[in-house]
Amino acid sequence: DTGVSQNPRHKITKRGQNVTFRCDPISEHNRLYWYRQTLGQGPEFLTYFQNEAQLEKSRLLSDRFSAERPKGSFSTLEIQRTEQGDSAMYLCASSRGQIQLLNNSPLHFGNGTRLTVT
Amino acid sequence: QKEVEQNSGPLSVPEGAIASLNCTYSDRGSQSFFWYRQYSGKSPELIMSIYSNGDKEDGRFTAQLNKASQYVSLLIRDSQPSDSATYLCAVITSYDKVIFGPGTSLSVIP
Repeated sequence: DTGVSQNPRHKITKRGQNVTFRCDPISEHNRLYWYRQTLGQGPEFLTYFQNEAQLEKSRLLSDRFSAERPKGSFSTLEIQRTEQGDSAMYLCASSRGQIQLLNNSPLHFGNGTRLTVT
Repeated sequence: QKEVEQNSGPLSVPEGAIASLNCTYSDRGSQSFFWYRQYSGKSPELIMSIYSNGDKEDGRFTAQLNKASQYVSLLIRDSQPSDSATYLCAVITSYDKVIFGPGTSLSVIP
């Protein structure tokens, strides 16, 4: 169990550029979640996957955001035409199966990718 | 109404005192509840989970759940300076989505 891995750790980009982040979940975990967190706030839900299927995308998320998990393993989060308001920590988390059905199957978080848009 | 709300902070308690953190949620179908601790610049880490009404104790931590009132709380006994962090309440909704509250910042004063 090597934990959830996120790359890169930090990304600085200019407004208008596209960025892509990668998340490698714990190998046997089939649920994968993306969150965004700004200073002083809790993690804000963005989207989540069951294997390769994207179950839900937050209604608050603009069309500039897209996420994929093509083979049910790693996932990518892409932000197109970045804006300064996109600056935040992007957190990925994984879990084993449906949490409601599996007690003591919490989310395991990666270290996050900190995005700064200048 | 936000899906998960927490008592506003920051909360300051003296070392050795009891810290009380509160959380309410809106989805009556929610069945699983978690408390995460997050140190500045770090990712959240799980400290407690609770699924049934009542109290659940783990060391200095006690989680309390009241589904009828849609209320979850966390008590930290004998608070230590190392407990100073932001505490996040997380709720698993009836659609198995994990929603976090805004967090409560706790400061334990030596």
